[in-house]
Amino acid sequence: EPEVTQTPSHQVTQMGQEVILRCVPISNHLYFYWYRQILGQKVEFLVSFYNNEISEKSEIFDDQFSVERPDGSNFTLKIRSTKLEDSAMYFCASTGTGGGSYNSPLHFGNGTRLTVT
Amino acid sequence: AQSVTQLDSHVSVSEGTPVLLRCNYSSSYSPSLFWYVQHPNKGLQLLLKYTSAATLVKGINGFEAEFKKSETSFHLTKPSAHMSDAAEYFCVVSRTGNQFYFGTGTSLTVIP
Repeated sequence: EPEVTQTPSHQVTQMGQEVILRCVPISNHLYFYWYRQILGQKVEFLVSFYNNEISEKSEIFDDQFSVERPDGSNFTLKIRSTKLEDSAMYFCASTGTGGGSYNSPLHFGNGTRLTVT
Repeated sequence: AQSVTQLDSHVSVSEGTPVLLRCNYSSSYSPSLFWYVQHPNKGLQLLLKYTSAATLVKGINGFEAEFKKSETSFHLTKPSAHMSDAAEYFCVVSRTGNQFYFGTGTSLTVIP
């Protein structure tokens, strides 16, 4: 069964550094997402991406964050200048829904644990 | 507006006894509803989904959920808990197919 893959599984970085989290969504999916989960807390929506542009973003997704789909297969999340509070598990997800149908669930990767020191 | 409420942050059951994890939703339209499970240090795995077909939905690992429109509920059940069911469970609602709203999660503990 096709799956969403995320790399790396764990990233350690120093405060102020830039990080790029990588994801390969399921190949025929149309919508792509990033979520984050701070340790012990709920899953928080960051951003959704469709047709090569952001379709929705949360208040967490400020100017320090950006997303890109550079080559038709990868979907990346960049944090320009990391803060301690960015430490979290970041999940990529994709879904095949298009044309108004809502039968397709989100398919998640296993996450990247980002630790900012 | 859409939202989802998981009524219990923690549920503890003995192995072999029934599991009930409660979820209520609010939606202006007929939603799609999902339950996901997250085992420690793992990603989120789809347990089951409701998409306006049968109101009783069967999922993986013996879990079921029943969509009750009159109660705006989508509670997750399993007749007999297993140790491997210990995990975090998330109820998720979607209306348009590209917007998903997560509940705050329920942590299930299974006592041997």
